[in-house]
Amino acid sequence: DQQVKQNSPSLSVQEGRISILNCDYTNSMFDYFLWYKKYPAEGPTFLISISSIKDKNEDGRFTVFLNKSAKHLSLHIVPSQPGDSAVYFCAARGTYKYIFGTGTRLKVLA
Amino acid sequence: DTAVSQTPKYLVTQMGNDKSIKCEQNLGHDTMYWYKQDSKKFLKIMFSYNNKELIINETVPNRFSPKSPDKAHLNLHINSLELGDSAVYFCASSQVGFTEAFFGQGTRLTVV
Repeated sequence: DQQVKQNSPSLSVQEGRISILNCDYTNSMFDYFLWYKKYPAEGPTFLISISSIKDKNEDGRFTVFLNKSAKHLSLHIVPSQPGDSAVYFCAARGTYKYIFGTGTRLKVLA
Repeated sequence: DTAVSQTPKYLVTQMGNDKSIKCEQNLGHDTMYWYKQDSKKFLKIMFSYNNKELIINETVPNRFSPKSPDKAHLNLHINSLELGDSAVYFCASSQVGFTEAFFGQGTRLTVV
């Protein structure tokens, strides 16, 4: 039973445009959500997070939006750069664990 | 100075062997984890430890035995390796009252 889902396995975006990565979750008790970025042969690295008491958090080019009623969050990257090409994982914080989605591979085309 | 380090990065071994993966964090965190990324790229929790105590064991076979000698280390020993154990194993750590977890670079285990 997958509690965190990323339904788009891949996404291609032109350099300079906006990338929007989506994530859905099923457990309304989740109170904290994170986005991780992963390059090949490396571990996931933390990108940005959001608490369930907020609906938006921004850090430079990265913004995460949370819609609790829809149990949906999204990551916006503006403007997208070729170095953003990676796999992005959405995660929810559980009790002594993080529950990850299956990832979305983002390719930013120069 | 690496925050979470795992050794080895690559491990190729035969079925039936026993192997260990070591993990160390220098962040002063209280909680450490082992995650498995399988061929479908799904990151799944295996174990979590808090202050050297096992908190979570997510229905992992008994052949997998984590050991935490102190808060900074969480090693993973695997007995009688099987082909299906081939995966990338990630160690991670976080602080109590935690926000994000920090991950190691991963250990790619290949069982032949």
